[in-house]
Amino acid sequence: GAVVSQHPSRVICKSGTSVKIECRSLDFQATTMFWYRQFPKQSLMLMATSNEGSKATYEQGVEKDKFLINHASLTLSTLTVTSAHPEDSSFYICSAREWDSYNEQFFGPGTRLTVL
Amino acid sequence: QQQVKQSPQSLIVQKGGISIINCAYENTAFDYFPWYQQFPGKGPALLIAIRPDVSEKKEGRFTISFNKSAKQFSLHIMDSQPGDSATYFCAATFGNRDDKIIFGKGTRLHILP
Repeated sequence: GAVVSQHPSRVICKSGTSVKIECRSLDFQATTMFWYRQFPKQSLMLMATSNEGSKATYEQGVEKDKFLINHASLTLSTLTVTSAHPEDSSFYICSAREWDSYNEQFFGPGTRLTVL
Repeated sequence: QQQVKQSPQSLIVQKGGISIINCAYENTAFDYFPWYQQFPGKGPALLIAIRPDVSEKKEGRFTISFNKSAKQFSLHIMDSQPGDSATYFCAATFGNRDDKIIFGKGTRLHILP
């Protein structure tokens, strides 16, 4: 089946630093990837949609200069949290859509970000 | 109109019982309704999904019932097991488009051993 990986699974950083999270589709080509954040006991909140080779589309209220998304290839998308602050601490999850699927998205295992 | 309303927020069921989670939607343009299962500290995983041209879909102990006229759908977990304890999200999407998934708020299911 379609597998999506994320790296790292956990990261702890100091306030003011930048953190990069990778999302990879391991056995399929993903024309579209999605980034979500999830707070404890809450649903997934879509942050942005990225298509390979083009700029990401951000949801309303998400700062594009703070959450930089790059989708450089059909198997890799990265999310960089710039100048991280404690309020950015969250569970970040990516998903990927295969180019010929019905819009079924396959989710990664998530990355737990803690900003001290 | 883009919302998917999910209930209950939490559910406790005895082992062997039936777990039922309900969802409702407004936008009749939705044409793909997936259910996701999420364990603590993990990403969500697709459990089962249905399209509105059928009223029921069953996969093992999991069944989706779909009522198009009422704009409601539900997940039934038969013979619930402690390993089913997780958070379940219903969702809706337009299908065949690079469009986002609209998630319900989730149901925390706990199966008593």
